[in-house]
Amino acid sequence: QQQVKQSPQSLIVQKGGIPIINCAYENTAFDYFPWYQQFPGKGPALLIAIRPDVSEKKEGRFTISFNKSAKQFSLHIMDSQPGDSATYFCAASGSGNTGKLIFGQGTTLQVKP
Amino acid sequence: SAVISQKPSRDICQRGTSLTIQCQVDSQVTMMFWYRQQPGQSLTLIATANQGSEATYESGFVIDKFPISRPNLTFSTLTVSNMSPEDSSIYLCSVRQGQETQYFGPGTRLLVL
Repeated sequence: QQQVKQSPQSLIVQKGGIPIINCAYENTAFDYFPWYQQFPGKGPALLIAIRPDVSEKKEGRFTISFNKSAKQFSLHIMDSQPGDSATYFCAASGSGNTGKLIFGQGTTLQVKP
Repeated sequence: SAVISQKPSRDICQRGTSLTIQCQVDSQVTMMFWYRQQPGQSLTLIATANQGSEATYESGFVIDKFPISRPNLTFSTLTVSNMSPEDSSIYLCSVRQGQETQYFGPGTRLLVL
């Protein structure tokens, strides 16, 4: 019940495309859902986060869509660029698990020029 | 956002030895965490470093193997004891600011021969 399932494992898109990464969770006590971006040799960087009281949040080219009834959320990257090539992790936490972040398995994104 | 530094950034160690990793934050934070990221894998929480008390370890991690210190609100250390090649990983320090936002350090890349 503590798992967060992320798909796909890897993704290749052309520049300008809209990659979509999906995550699903089981624990209804989760109430905070961040996305992290990690470049090789670096630590994960917080990209964008959402709480379940909204269905969508947009920051620049990054959008989170949230479906509370389905217990799913996804990251969309608009007008993707080669510089977006990185590994993306979704995560979830809630007051029920002392706020610890549970991470998805990660998605390696390659944006071709 | 918090600025987090880790030392060393990388190391190559012999099996049976121990390595202490330092994490320094530029502001006082209540909660600090240590994660392990095995090659090509997601992040796994090792423990929560509690200031003034013993760390809280996750299932599968024990104090004898990963002793943690948290002497104040800006500093923590993680020791990887009696290392084996299976301990080769990236070790990441993380801090929480505010209610839920969590930031990560750059990581320590450990190779055990």
